[in-house]
Amino acid sequence: QKEVEQDPGPLSVPEGAIVSLNCTYSNSAFQYFMWYRQYSRKGPELLMYTYSSGNKEDGRFTAQVDKSSKYISLFIRDSQPSDSATYLCAAGGSQGNLIFGKGTKLSVKP
Amino acid sequence: EADIYQTPRYLVIGTGKKITLECSQTMGHDKMYWYQQDPGMELHLIHYSYGVNSTEKGDLSSESTVSRIRTEHFPLTLESARPSHTSQYLCASSFHSPYRNEQFFGPGTRLTVL
Repeated sequence: QKEVEQDPGPLSVPEGAIVSLNCTYSNSAFQYFMWYRQYSRKGPELLMYTYSSGNKEDGRFTAQVDKSSKYISLFIRDSQPSDSATYLCAAGGSQGNLIFGKGTKLSVKP
Repeated sequence: EADIYQTPRYLVIGTGKKITLECSQTMGHDKMYWYQQDPGMELHLIHYSYGVNSTEKGDLSSESTVSRIRTEHFPLTLESARPSHTSQYLCASSFHSPYRNEQFFGPGTRLTVL
């Protein structure tokens, strides 16, 4: 079992929809969690950083961490065609490197 | 401006050539990383460094080598390129801290070995 699991999709939604992207992890020692957005042929761009449990909101993006169920989520409100990209979740602890999920490919149709 | 730079962005070379992929950062970070990513596939960590004179192998076995002589510079070298090395190579950096360790990525180098 990989330490961070993510459904690769692809996920296709109409413009304006609320998008929910999810990951699960297995290592209880993970303390910080991130979401990256990667456009085709580009490097990943850090979207959200969360330390421990809770919610974090930034504009149309909300990141949620539930450490009791080892579940992390990214919500995108009012999705736009420009949100079409691959979204990577990542988790890590104080002693190791980040562990990345495989990424979910999202397509927002006009 | 704080950023991560990679050169070249694209490279097409013949089998057997020695190549060096450059990575520099002005983020003030101490830890640096190299990832390999095939199109549509997951990231694989191949090398990382905690600071000057530190180099560590990542999760994916790689025939490449790295060096860290300066804090801001982390080049990756392939002594003899092969078609199996064709991939995208991503450099990243972060603070080496349990509390501030977000990784920031460069734009990548797309390598094609003929």
